[in-house]
Amino acid sequence: DVQLVESGGGLVQPGGSLRLSCAASGFTVSTNYMIWVRQAPGKGLEWVSVIYGGGSTNYADSVKGRFTISRDNSINTLNLQMNSLRAEDTAVYYCARGGGGYSYGYYFYMDVWGKGTTVTVSS
Amino acid sequence: SSELTQDPAVSVALGQTVRITCQGDSLRNYYASWYQQKPGQAPVLVIYGTNNAPSGIPDRFSGSSSGDTVSLTITGAQAEDEADYYCTSRDTSGTHWVFGGGTKLTVL
Repeated sequence: DVQLVESGGGLVQPGGSLRLSCAASGFTVSTNYMIWVRQAPGKGLEWVSVIYGGGSTNYADSVKGRFTISRDNSINTLNLQMNSLRAEDTAVYYCARGGGGYSYGYYFYMDVWGKGTTVTVSS
Repeated sequence: SSELTQDPAVSVALGQTVRITCQGDSLRNYYASWYQQKPGQAPVLVIYGTNNAPSGIPDRFSGSSSGDTVSLTITGAQAEDEADYYCTSRDTSGTHWVFGGGTKLTVL
């Protein structure tokens, strides 16, 4: 079965750090692009970061310079290192597997999602 | 970056057809994908590309695109289709992703 399982969420004080992990099974994270998406309480989905198969990365402006996405290919895991956390980073964080192609235009999708891990930033 | 705009809420009578739209400049360059999210659950991919659905998605779900607007159509809505629906695409720079604000679908 293709599956993603997030871990590492919790309660952290403003300015603190947290490291999220996303363990993949049934596929190899290094051969896909992988994405982190978050959802603040009662709000919509927000893209956070992406890491491509080749290792290049991108970040939402709201987290750039504070968050770092990475992979550990040896254990088929995606990570998100979150530093200088703020109250507005409070959310459920989902990891997702990306895919895409071209057919009359470029298309992209996230076809496998984890159940999410909750991060609460509060004093 | 660019934005994707969705109506906050839409309702449909049981068994009728409903269209949920998503508008944004980046949709002129990239197809959107659509996700269904029920309370307390992770999003589920329902439509991507021109009009493709992953296995297991009922064929009452379909997608279309015209200019800067994409649509998700549910033909014969069922009670279990009541959920939040999000569109997403790359932004106009092609380097970031953007989500629409989501549409809450109520099946009456």
